[in-house]
Amino acid sequence: NAGVMQNPRHLVRRRGQEARLRCSPMKGHSHVYWYRQLPEEGLKFMVYLQKENIIDESGMPKERFSAEFPKEGPSILRIQQVVRGDSAAYFCASSPNQEETQYFGPGTRLLVL
Amino acid sequence: AQRVTQPEKLLSVFKGAPVELKCNYSYSGSPELFWYVQYSRQRLQLLLRHISRESIKGFTADLNKGETSFHLKKPFAQEEDSAMYYCALPYSGGGADGLTFGKGTHLIIQP
Repeated sequence: NAGVMQNPRHLVRRRGQEARLRCSPMKGHSHVYWYRQLPEEGLKFMVYLQKENIIDESGMPKERFSAEFPKEGPSILRIQQVVRGDSAAYFCASSPNQEETQYFGPGTRLLVL
Repeated sequence: AQRVTQPEKLLSVFKGAPVELKCNYSYSGSPELFWYVQYSRQRLQLLLRHISRESIKGFTADLNKGETSFHLKKPFAQEEDSAMYYCALPYSGGGADGLTFGKGTHLIIQP
């Protein structure tokens, strides 16, 4: 089992562009969580998804950010019209169910120029 | 609102000395607390959770509801313990959904 996969590992975007971050959960895991880590800060919860459903998006900014976890394929975190303040490390975690340990991916470092 | 405070950004101790990484929290209700660790060039991984009451790699943590603390302790530090340590609790009331993390403590074990 390769663990949680995230790609790209590094992403550079100019202000106003779109960023798409992908997360493939561990095999057998149907729960996905996205976190953002700003410099010198702890990880902040953004959104929790199960297959085809958003369970809790209370940590996600109301505008420009969206997430999905389709029936087939990876979970996608999409940031439209990026701004410099979006520069951060974005981590994905997965678990087999709500009660089990979350396993983290290596993160995607987003830099907005 | 749920909050986790790790007051020490950096903690340096000598090999063989006791280690205590501090974590204080604010939470409405009865929390489940976690310690995660990130070794150099590795991904974040669970070290222990208070509900399991396990000792992992010699580390233990006791939930003190009176002091709202969940300090991580190890009696004799080893060089391989050098890492970033994060304390965490559930983002919202109850359940094991998203987590709220502290800012982390960088533990350095000197030889």
